[in-house]
Amino acid sequence: GESVGLHLPTLSVQEGDNSIINCAYSNSASDYFIWYKQESGKGPQFIIDIRSNMDKRQGQRVTVLLNKTVKHLSLQIAATQPGDSAVYFCAENSPSGKLSFGAGTTVTVRA
Amino acid sequence: DAGVIQSPRHEVTEMGQEVTLRCKPISGHDYLFWYRQTMMRGLELLIYFNNNVPIDDSGMPEDRFSAKMPNASFSTLKIQPSEPRDSAVYFCASSLSRGRSDTQYFGPGTRLTVL
Repeated sequence: GESVGLHLPTLSVQEGDNSIINCAYSNSASDYFIWYKQESGKGPQFIIDIRSNMDKRQGQRVTVLLNKTVKHLSLQIAATQPGDSAVYFCAENSPSGKLSFGAGTTVTVRA
Repeated sequence: DAGVIQSPRHEVTEMGQEVTLRCKPISGHDYLFWYRQTMMRGLELLIYFNNNVPIDDSGMPEDRFSAKMPNASFSTLKIQPSEPRDSAVYFCASSLSRGRSDTQYFGPGTRLTVL
């Protein structure tokens, strides 16, 4: 029968290539956004964050882009490695103060 | 720093039994959060504490769920009686402050299976 539940987007990427993971957020008043990485059997791990007064922020091998006009967030991973295989979540901090998580994107790195 | 510590890592119990999940936040963090993660609903905030006081428990699914934080270094999430639909991974997270620019650090989670 048909499976029920969240249908997580997936991304398969060749080792060494760049990855782009996209996220749409819902609240135009959200002012802070975070990307988390969750490996199998572990809790979400902070990767990078960005405030709403910025449109780009860079970390080590990762870049987050924020487009407030279309309420879109992306995470770019440069030179993807096997250790980057995980589920990636974006989270938005709404004015209520609650952190709301997206459904997640499963990234698989091909050797 | 050891990070957020949760115990047990795995729990298997039978329907109707009481389950207690434990969390030790990062020392010095004022906020503690309990989340539940399932394939059906993703990652959901259940409750959070500030300085040991429950602030928002609107995510707690029903009265069978309760959470306490008797001191700054310990919190529990209790389910009584447990039901099969409670099966999930439960995460505890802590942060220095709430919301604005404060990163939540997650523990490894407790995988709960209710038979």
